[in-house]
Amino acid sequence: GENVEQHPSTLSVQEGDSAVIKCTYSDSASNYFPWYKQELGKRPQLIIDIRSNVGEKKDQRIAVTLNKTAKHFSLHITETQPEDSAVYFCAASTGNQFYFGTGTSLTVIP
Amino acid sequence: GAVVSQHPSRVICKSGTSVKIECRSLDFQATTMFWYRQFPKQSLMLMATSNEGSKATYEQGVEKDKFLINHASLTLSTLTVTSAHPEDSSFYICSSIGAGRTDTQYFGPGTRLTVL
Repeated sequence: GENVEQHPSTLSVQEGDSAVIKCTYSDSASNYFPWYKQELGKRPQLIIDIRSNVGEKKDQRIAVTLNKTAKHFSLHITETQPEDSAVYFCAASTGNQFYFGTGTSLTVIP
Repeated sequence: GAVVSQHPSRVICKSGTSVKIECRSLDFQATTMFWYRQFPKQSLMLMATSNEGSKATYEQGVEKDKFLINHASLTLSTLTVTSAHPEDSSFYICSSIGAGRTDTQYFGPGTRLTVL
């Protein structure tokens, strides 16, 4: 089955700096890669996603890049704000199932 | 986005009892529902994939006789934790994929199960 690895597990940045979270996957059949933000005790919220036919996608301060050859994808958050503090999960999917990375706890220091 | 509800949000039960968790898609037909388990400060672990009208597909290591899943309609799936034990205490989250969509999943708010 699919194996998704995520790094780093924790990340602290100063407000206004950028944050980058990286994931790798093993199943070349995976073609959909969402990123979720989860606050403590709450449901994961989709923040951005990318499909295998696209190399990069951007939505305001958030961007995701995908390298299918190397089987890795990354989340980039620019101009970080304290409200960006949360746990972020990447996932990989073939369309039938979703496999999540181990999560990154992001802390934005005011 | 689509709305998925989950009930109850919290449940405390005695060891040996069974607990049923409901997951409902409120404004779309969910052909596929997923059940996840999440331990504190850990990732979501896929337990099973549930398709309406058919038996659930369980992930390796998940006991199907302990975690009973029923997806009887396009808007409701249930997870029953049978003969619960303290090690079953966890955060259980469902998610749904709508008819005609094969990717975007919508999560329920989760159920915090505590087994005494």
